[in-house]
Amino acid sequence: DQQVKQNSPSLSVQEGRISILNCDYTNSMFDYFLWYKKYPAEGPTFLISISSIKDKNEDGRFTVFLNKSAKHLSLHIVPSQPGDSAVYFCAASGSGTYKYIFGTGTRLKVLA
Amino acid sequence: EAEVAQSPRYKITEKSQAVAFWCDPISGHATLYWYRQILGQGPELLVQFQDESVVDDSQLPKDRFSAERLKGVDSTLKIQPAELGDSAMYLCASSLVESTGELFFGEGSRLTVL
Repeated sequence: DQQVKQNSPSLSVQEGRISILNCDYTNSMFDYFLWYKKYPAEGPTFLISISSIKDKNEDGRFTVFLNKSAKHLSLHIVPSQPGDSAVYFCAASGSGTYKYIFGTGTRLKVLA
Repeated sequence: EAEVAQSPRYKITEKSQAVAFWCDPISGHATLYWYRQILGQGPELLVQFQDESVVDDSQLPKDRFSAERLKGVDSTLKIQPAELGDSAMYLCASSLVESTGELFFGEGSRLTVL
């Protein structure tokens, strides 16, 4: 049973436009969410996080939105840059366990 | 900038052989994780340590996999015997206790079993 789902395996966006990556979860006990970026042959790099007490968190070009009722979060990248081309993973954990469940990832390609 | 160190970066082995991976977390990070990532999938947690104690190893195939963190610092993940299906990237991550919970990953160890 996949508790964290990223239903879009890939996404292509023009440089300068907005990229929206989506993530859904099934476990209502999840209360902390992370987004990671991964380049080939490298480990994942932390991007941004959000706690369930918030519905939005911003860091530069990256904004994460959380809709708890829908069990859905999204990562917005504005403006998108070619260097953003990578695989993006969302991850979720619950109740201070720091046990993170990862989604299957979305491959983002930003076209110059 | 402090990093999580992993070795080897690449390992090719034949099935039924033994293989070991090493991880040195960021200094002061009490929590250490081993994840396995199969191509096209997300990282899957194998084992989580808090200092030298195992917090969660429910997804670790204990008939062939073992993990230890004897002094609560660096850690070793062993597979014996390796099977074809073990081919994957093995990722180590660490985090501070009682922090935001952000995980810092190493570059990973790519295992190919022939």
